[in-house]
Amino acid sequence: KAGVTQTPRYLIKTRGQQVTLSCSPISGHRSVSWYQQTPGQGLQFLFEYFSETQRNKGNFPGRFSGRQFSNSRSEMNVSTLELGDSALYLCASSMGQGLGYTFGSGTRLTVV
Amino acid sequence: SQELEQSPQSLIVQEGKNLTINCTSSKTLYGLYWYKQKYGEGLIFLMMLQKGGEEKSHEKITAKLDEKKQQSSLHITASQPSHAGIYLCGADRGSNYQLIWGAGTKLIIKP
Repeated sequence: KAGVTQTPRYLIKTRGQQVTLSCSPISGHRSVSWYQQTPGQGLQFLFEYFSETQRNKGNFPGRFSGRQFSNSRSEMNVSTLELGDSALYLCASSMGQGLGYTFGSGTRLTVV
Repeated sequence: SQELEQSPQSLIVQEGKNLTINCTSSKTLYGLYWYKQKYGEGLIFLMMLQKGGEEKSHEKITAKLDEKKQQSSLHITASQPSHAGIYLCGADRGSNYQLIWGAGTKLIIKP
């Protein structure tokens, strides 16, 4: 079966712009989580969605937002991009807590 | 300091040698995950441990979770070049739908 699909794989944006990243989970997985990975901070939790509801949000500014659609696909949006937002953004899907997480290949965002 | 301490930070091992990576939490874990990552890519699932004293193996990799569910180790036997990468442990605290991560261990295999 298909894995977790993240698009696009690479993005280059300018400071002040906004960006939308997409994540399609494994079929049947209703939970989607997002993480930011940087060399300095490692992996940091952004948010988690289940059945279109955000159940938890990490310690990120309001410029970071997300949503989940009825087909479980999820998007995250970053507005007013800053240089420090350059990172690998990873999405993971799961059938539920404690049932394992499958990660996508990530979206590499570079802000210039 | 990290909520999840992972050690060592990096490791250079001669091909064919064994190695161990450790992951320690100050709090009891609901679950502990091990993943491998090639630079700039996604995370590849290795093992999930949930019960105290649990041990799982796959090919040449064995992961253990101690009885208190606060410490885990990942052991690779007879290392190969394909084992090179970054190993990450992630902890599930059981209440807030997220994983807390260690800083990662960069493994280099010398031929």
